[in-house]
Amino acid sequence: NAGVMQNPRHLVRRRGQEARLRCSPMKGHSHVYWYRQLPEEGLKFMVYLQKENIIDESGMPKERFSAEFPKEGPSILRIQQVVRGDSAAYFCASSRTTGTGIEAFFGQGTRLTVV
Amino acid sequence: GNSVTQMEGPVTLSEEAFLTINCTYTATGYPSLFWYVQYPGEGLQLLLKATKADDKGSNKGFEATYRKETTSFHLEKGSVQVSDSAVYFCALSDPPPDKLIFGTGTRLQVFP
Repeated sequence: NAGVMQNPRHLVRRRGQEARLRCSPMKGHSHVYWYRQLPEEGLKFMVYLQKENIIDESGMPKERFSAEFPKEGPSILRIQQVVRGDSAAYFCASSRTTGTGIEAFFGQGTRLTVV
Repeated sequence: GNSVTQMEGPVTLSEEAFLTINCTYTATGYPSLFWYVQYPGEGLQLLLKATKADDKGSNKGFEATYRKETTSFHLEKGSVQVSDSAVYFCALSDPPPDKLIFGTGTRLQVFP
């Protein structure tokens, strides 16, 4: 049973380009969360999605960032016109459902470097 | 809003020493509390959890007790190993929709 799969593991983009980060949740999981980790900092919540729905995007920057979780295929975090400050590790987590104490399983992350 | 505060790191210990990493939280309602561990270059793995007051979570020799009166969830281990070197994150779940809110992490370095 494969875990949460994120790709690519490392992504280098020039300023102004687009970055697309993919996350395939664990089998049977319909809830996906995206987090950003800046160097030497904790994880900051960005967005929570269920299939075809954005449930909570309170941590997403208002511009340039978007996320989707289509009926078929992986969840995508898209960053348009990247800037150096977007350089970070982006982690995806999935869970089977929600509720008290439900465990979220994390992927290995995508490390984005903007040059 | 809800938040988690962890002690600053790094914590540097010799093998077999006693470990405590402090974690306190601010929350409305009754969140679940978690400790996650991150090894170098990896994602986060759940270490232990507690879902209500006075619950004790335990795993791999690590323990933490949900203390509602002090709003704390301190991580302890009686005898650390070099292989425990990692970054430890305290987190609470914020219902609904149960997203995790993390502390800033505490780096643990264990030397032989």
